Amino acid sequence: AQSVTQLGSHVSVSEGALVLLRCNYSSSVPPYLFWYVQYPNQGLQLLLKYTTGATLVKGINGFEAEFKKSETSFHLTKPSAHMSDAAEYFCAVSDLANNNDMRFGAGTRLTVKP
Amino acid sequence: GAVVSQHPSWVICKSGTSVKIECRSLDFQATTMFWYRQFPKQSLMLMATSNEGSKATYEQGVEKDKFLINHASLTLSTLTVTSAHPEDSSFYICSAKSSRVSNQPQHFGDGTRLSIL
Repeated sequence: AQSVTQLGSHVSVSEGALVLLRCNYSSSVPPYLFWYVQYPNQGLQLLLKYTTGATLVKGINGFEAEFKKSETSFHLTKPSAHMSDAAEYFCAVSDLANNNDMRFGAGTRLTVKP
Repeated sequence: GAVVSQHPSWVICKSGTSVKIECRSLDFQATTMFWYRQFPKQSLMLMATSNEGSKATYEQGVEKDKFLINHASLTLSTLTVTSAHPEDSSFYICSAKSSRVSNQPQHFGDGTRLSIL
């Protein structure tokens, strides 16, 4: 069974600073990895996903994530934070054999200070 | 991109009533739909998975008689919370995907905030 651990339930950065949200996964089979963003009282919006191929994945809104198999990590980064990036971010994992079984991390709340 | 519409976005009702939440895929055929529950400041917890035309598969601990799921068409799934009580108050989110498209992620609705008085 897969699982996801998001390190840090709350991350605070200044506007213009680097954003780094950490995600480590556990999976016995090749994983599919996802980052979603959730704004208050809304559903989840897909930022980016990794399935196969290039390990550096670029997503929407300037975010990117790198799949590192040796570290079982899929950290989300953005070079320069914007006020509109303040939201809840969820890392998720599913596997090649059962793409219906998606497991979410506990989430990381990103605060951006002016 | 793929769009999933969830309705209503907010509902407030009295204890003991039943509430129906709709989840529609607007521009693709959703062979599989998922229903999640999210408590404040927590992650999503999968309640059930439904495939079009078949009975839903419920996660352990989720009462199937309490949370009725119907997925009668490729574009619509409904969740009915029967005889709702205050402890059922939560944020419910649906998602949908098509198994006909490989590597497709789940696409989420905007959620329904349910408040039971």
